[in-house]
Amino acid sequence: QVQLQESGPGLVKPSETLSLTCAVSGYSISSGYYWGWIRQPPGKGLEWIGSIYHSGSTYYNPSLKSRVTISVDTSKNQFSLKLSSVTAADTAVYYCATSVDPQSCFDYWGQGTLVTVSS
Amino acid sequence: SYVLTQPPSVSVAPGKTARITCGGNNIGSKSVHWYQQKPGQAPVLVIYYDSDRPSGIPERFSGSNSGNTATLTISRVEAGDEADYYCQVWDSSSDVVFGGGTKLTVL
Repeated sequence: QVQLQESGPGLVKPSETLSLTCAVSGYSISSGYYWGWIRQPPGKGLEWIGSIYHSGSTYYNPSLKSRVTISVDTSKNQFSLKLSSVTAADTAVYYCATSVDPQSCFDYWGQGTLVTVSS
Repeated sequence: SYVLTQPPSVSVAPGKTARITCGGNNIGSKSVHWYQQKPGQAPVLVIYYDSDRPSGIPERFSGSNSGNTATLTISRVEAGDEADYYCQVWDSSSDVVFGGGTKLTVL
């Protein structure tokens, strides 16, 4: 059973960079699968941020692409999200999740972590 | 960019059938996945590839997809089915797209 756990600061100042990590257990990232980030502003719907393959190939939401970097660390079996130049609009619960391929569903999700952007 | 349209809310009496739609241009040519999200919890996959159910999901949950509309059907609705439901597809121009979500209320 794949398990994912997000971690990172719960408060980020405007204009700074949001950084989150997703630790994976029960499966080796280097074995395959795509590893993604999805966010949900309070009271709103889900928004895909981007995904990465274990080889490092990335796919980003076009609307966020200029500010997003997703990377993978196979030695630590984890992957990370960096979102630069954040504003209050980036306040959301951030989820990490996994899918078999880019066209597939997200079958395992982390519990989510709330990140608030505020000074 | 590709857009998925869901009704904001659907209401149904216990024991009846709920149908939640997901509209998109020629969505019938794409694979649709459905998630259930209860308050304070992460989404849970309930239907994948239009009509397949993950293990542990009751047979009461089913899906269909044709033309410009995909539908999640929940038969014999229970109070525990009250949740937000999201559809999701992959599109060549937008990559992963989620619908806006539908709040299912059990009366």
